[in-house]
Amino acid sequence: SQQGEEDPQALSIQEGENATMNCSYKTSINNLQWYRQNSGRGLVHLILIRSNEREKHSGRLRVTLDTSKKSSSLLITASRAADTASYFCATDATGGTSYGKLTFGQGTILTVHP
Amino acid sequence: EPEVTQTPSHQVTQMGQEVILRCVPISNHLYFYWYRQILGQKVEFLVSFYNNEISEKSEIFDDQFSVERPDGSNFTLKIRSTKLEDSAMYFCASGWYEQYFGPGTRLTVT
Repeated sequence: SQQGEEDPQALSIQEGENATMNCSYKTSINNLQWYRQNSGRGLVHLILIRSNEREKHSGRLRVTLDTSKKSSSLLITASRAADTASYFCATDATGGTSYGKLTFGQGTILTVHP
Repeated sequence: EPEVTQTPSHQVTQMGQEVILRCVPISNHLYFYWYRQILGQKVEFLVSFYNNEISEKSEIFDDQFSVERPDGSNFTLKIRSTKLEDSAMYFCASGWYEQYFGPGTRLTVT
């Protein structure tokens, strides 16, 4: 089974629209994090939500977490062309021997057209 | 703003050669990690390192791989005898709950 699966795989929207990406996972988690990756570049940490939190905001980002459904969503409001990137969820599962082993999904490729 | 740095940005090596990838984590972080991303695939965990020893490693991290913190600032990943399938982007990260990633080293094994 795959931990951290995002959908859709690709999303194409117009500037100003909202973008919603979803992530599902299989095991119990300590936290779930969202990252952005511009083509061929490193991963930029966007937001972390702990397993006892349900919603978190950071600027134009809103993340929800439903541990009963083992799912999370990332909402980017009022998108900009500069938001064009791949977005990954990553889970830090409980039961590991240490904090921090992140399991990444395949990612959602977001394209925002000006 | 502090950031994780990695050198080199691109390394080309021949199969069977040893490579060392270098990372400078954020200075007050205690946990360090290596991940890799094969082109078009997921980012995969390799190893975590804390208090000068490996905390956890994945199945990928076999005897050909080793990590070291040779001084107070650098964190290295060594691949002893590279294979074609080691070609990937290698990311170093540091942090605790939130992990901060470096820009990556693209390793090409020919």
